[in-house]
Amino acid sequence: ETGVTQSPTHLIKTRGQQVTLRCSSQSGHNTVSWYQQALGQGPQFIFQYYREEENGRGNFPPRFSGLQFPNYSSELNVNALELDDSALYLCASSPGHTLTDTQYFGPGTRLTVL
Amino acid sequence: RKEVEQDPGPFNVPEGATVAFNCTYSNSASQSFFWYRQDCRKEPKLLMSVYSSGNEDGRFTAQLNRASQYISLLIRDSKLSDSATYLCVVIPPLVDYKLSFGAGTTVTVRA
Repeated sequence: ETGVTQSPTHLIKTRGQQVTLRCSSQSGHNTVSWYQQALGQGPQFIFQYYREEENGRGNFPPRFSGLQFPNYSSELNVNALELDDSALYLCASSPGHTLTDTQYFGPGTRLTVL
Repeated sequence: RKEVEQDPGPFNVPEGATVAFNCTYSNSASQSFFWYRQDCRKEPKLLMSVYSSGNEDGRFTAQLNRASQYISLLIRDSKLSDSATYLCVVIPPLVDYKLSFGAGTTVTVRA
């Protein structure tokens, strides 16, 4: 196991609602990245947080936002949910944000939007 | 053109067989390359990094061809436990923090 945990495991929401997903990083890791994986697709990078600051962002609209806390755990918030937001949301922690820092994935949160 | 493209498969092979598949990437300046493995409804796990000189880890061999912009994975002596989706991952230039994933190649090893 990677030591990265995510909650909740599964979630069902309706269109227009808001959701918060949580991630606890592996001990000693200061960087968390979030990915969205739709069915049959590879994970898509949403954003990364390094020492409580956003360090980079993928092609996702502003209704996807995040936070990182002093203990390096992180939240992903999605507002105004759309049907296409249904996916597996993965967080990955790493000891840093450089090229050589391996990202270790948590088990994911499966979000269904009805 | 997608950053990373893979043959989705599925590759159905008998135990003991050799299976190989490729992944192409669009940006010639891409920095690093990896293969991840993802079991059904589970998280991706790093299988191996891919180096310019090629590298081997037990039954798994990865190759990088920068001239043709593809990486490959070969699995020898397939086991039932090798059944999974194999995700090709590229780190684009100037974006050290972002893993760009392909959609995955599904391998099923049958008894």
